[in-house]
Amino acid sequence: NAGVMQNPRHLVRRRGQEARLRCSPMKGHSHVYWYRQLPEEGLKFMVYLQKENIIDESGMPKERFSAEFPKEGPSILRIQQVVRGDSAAYFCASSPPQGSYNEQFFGPGTRLTVL
Amino acid sequence: SQQGEEDPQALSIQEGENATMNCSYKTSINNLQWYRQNSGRGLVHLILIRSNEREKHSGRLRVTLDTSKKSSSLLITASRAADTASYFCATDGSYIPTFGRGTSLIVHP
Repeated sequence: NAGVMQNPRHLVRRRGQEARLRCSPMKGHSHVYWYRQLPEEGLKFMVYLQKENIIDESGMPKERFSAEFPKEGPSILRIQQVVRGDSAAYFCASSPPQGSYNEQFFGPGTRLTVL
Repeated sequence: SQQGEEDPQALSIQEGENATMNCSYKTSINNLQWYRQNSGRGLVHLILIRSNEREKHSGRLRVTLDTSKKSSSLLITASRAADTASYFCATDGSYIPTFGRGTSLIVHP
């Protein structure tokens, strides 16, 4: 059973370009979480999704950021018109479809560098 | 905020010694979890302790939880160089775990 997969592992973009980060949850997991980690910082929650639904996006910046988890395919975190402050590691986690909070399994992360 | 805060921020010890890290939080929780993050990697789940539990063991790890003090501790016994990593606690007053800034542990061989 493969773990959570994220790609790309490293992404370099110039200011103003779009960044698209992908996350494939563990098999059987239908809950996906996205986090951002700045250097020397902890993980900051961004968004919690289930298949075709955004459950909680309270940690998402209001502009330029969007996330989706379609019925088929990976979850996508999209950052439009990137700025240098978007440079960070973005982690995806997944958990099984249970009613209450459960252990999260993390992917290896995507390191975004904005030049 | 119910964010967990780890203490100390950094810890440097010799191989074989024990390492103790603490986590404090502000609001009531259902669970508290500890994770490890090696440099440049994702988080690895170590242990989950529920609010009705006081102590839990897993190999060389021992976690305690004191809900009256809103604090938890992670003890790593007989540390090894491979234990060098950052350790985070995550609390979940709602369904979204909230992470602190972590304790950076360095174990010298």
